[in-house]
Amino acid sequence: EADIYQTPRYLVIGTGKKITLECSQTMGHDKMYWYQQDPGMELHLIHYSYGVNSTEKGDLSSESTVSRIRTEHFPLTLESARPSHTSQYLCASRTGTTNEKLFFGSGTQLSVL
Amino acid sequence: AQSVTQLDSQVPVFEEAPVELRCNYSSSVSVYLFWYVQYPNQGLQLLLKYLSGSTLVESINGFEAEFNKSQTSFHLRKPSVHISDTAEYFCAVKSSTPETSYDKVIFGPGTSLSVIP
Repeated sequence: EADIYQTPRYLVIGTGKKITLECSQTMGHDKMYWYQQDPGMELHLIHYSYGVNSTEKGDLSSESTVSRIRTEHFPLTLESARPSHTSQYLCASRTGTTNEKLFFGSGTQLSVL
Repeated sequence: AQSVTQLDSQVPVFEEAPVELRCNYSSSVSVYLFWYVQYPNQGLQLLLKYLSGSTLVESINGFEAEFNKSQTSFHLRKPSVHISDTAEYFCAVKSSTPETSYDKVIFGPGTSLSVIP
């Protein structure tokens, strides 16, 4: 069973607050990803990392930032949350080997009021 | 609670042969159903989805899936596969009832499709 954890599972906050969504995996995976799920229910890649100190923007432009100081940890930060940031955020990881399966966290449902 | 089962973790198939990737789900409420695809070294992308209406849905690259409520299945099929179809395929389910609109999408474990020349 995959060991990738996201906290919190649900978060309701007011506009302007700074938030950090946590994502950790204990599988030693090099590659980690953040996806945002839009109202149409598609997943959009917003950030990815191929290893420590490696982070890249994904297909969908996002005002969030990420960091990868340790292999197992890939937090996502919003400096000033807005209602347009309301969404579900999914973290995922996999090994560096081609075709290796993607493991997903349980997601964080963010609601900005 | 909802869950998604993809019975086949790996499916090797020869080029131009047909393929079926199986997906079964369990849910006590109405659901939306999805197939996502992850090509090598790329992110996840939506392949097709069933929300309502016709139980047969098609993608632009020749895949189709049929929602079977009685069998709680949403199998993905393609009559003739191409080398470029080699990828990981994820089936997913989400509750469609308004009171559970914030329920997360539940993903299956994925099926690795390998198309052999």
